[in-house]
Amino acid sequence: NAGVTQTPKFQVLKTGQSMTLQCAQDMNHEYMSWYRQDPGMGLRLIHYSVGAGITDQGEVPNGYNVSRSTTEDFPLRLLSAAPSQTSVYFCASSYTRTDTQYFGPGTRLTVL
Amino acid sequence: TQLLEQSPQFLSIQEGENLTVYCNSSSVFSSLQWYRQEPGEGPVLLVTVVTGGEVKKLKRLTFQFGDARKDSSLHITAAQTGDTGLYLCAGYSGGYQKVTFGTGTKLQVIP
Repeated sequence: NAGVTQTPKFQVLKTGQSMTLQCAQDMNHEYMSWYRQDPGMGLRLIHYSVGAGITDQGEVPNGYNVSRSTTEDFPLRLLSAAPSQTSVYFCASSYTRTDTQYFGPGTRLTVL
Repeated sequence: TQLLEQSPQFLSIQEGENLTVYCNSSSVFSSLQWYRQEPGEGPVLLVTVVTGGEVKKLKRLTFQFGDARKDSSLHITAAQTGDTGLYLCAGYSGGYQKVTFGTGTKLQVIP
């Protein structure tokens, strides 16, 4: 099993550009989520999904869109990147919301 | 907004020393988890505590959940260089609808 994979590992964008951060898991987990990690602020939940076709907002959803068309994939879209979105982004998955979450290796995003 | 404050923020100790990391909040949590994160990787779950006053041991690591379920501590005995990393606590509330991560404690164990 590859676990949770994320691509790309690093990305630099200019303000206003759009991009999609990819996340995939091969553990047949229903619950998937996206977090951003900023210095001194821990991880903050952006969006989550309890199964294919079902998504909901987390703590900091503005500027991000998600969709879940399959159990395996949960992409995060930045529609118009802003410098405030410079961060490290982590995708996580688990069988249910309360089970052990497995995190991907992260994507380091810089918006100039 | 719920906050989970961790202290200390940074800790640099010699191999063999003991240490304690604290995770405090004014809010009550249904459960609390501790993670360790190494540079360039995602957090890895160490333990989940659910009952107020609960103590769990994982080899040299001892985790305690406060009686009122508002705080937790992580104690490491005889630290090793392999313990180096960022330690994060995370609290679940609202019937597990909401998760709040702590601010993190960066631990460096020097040989």
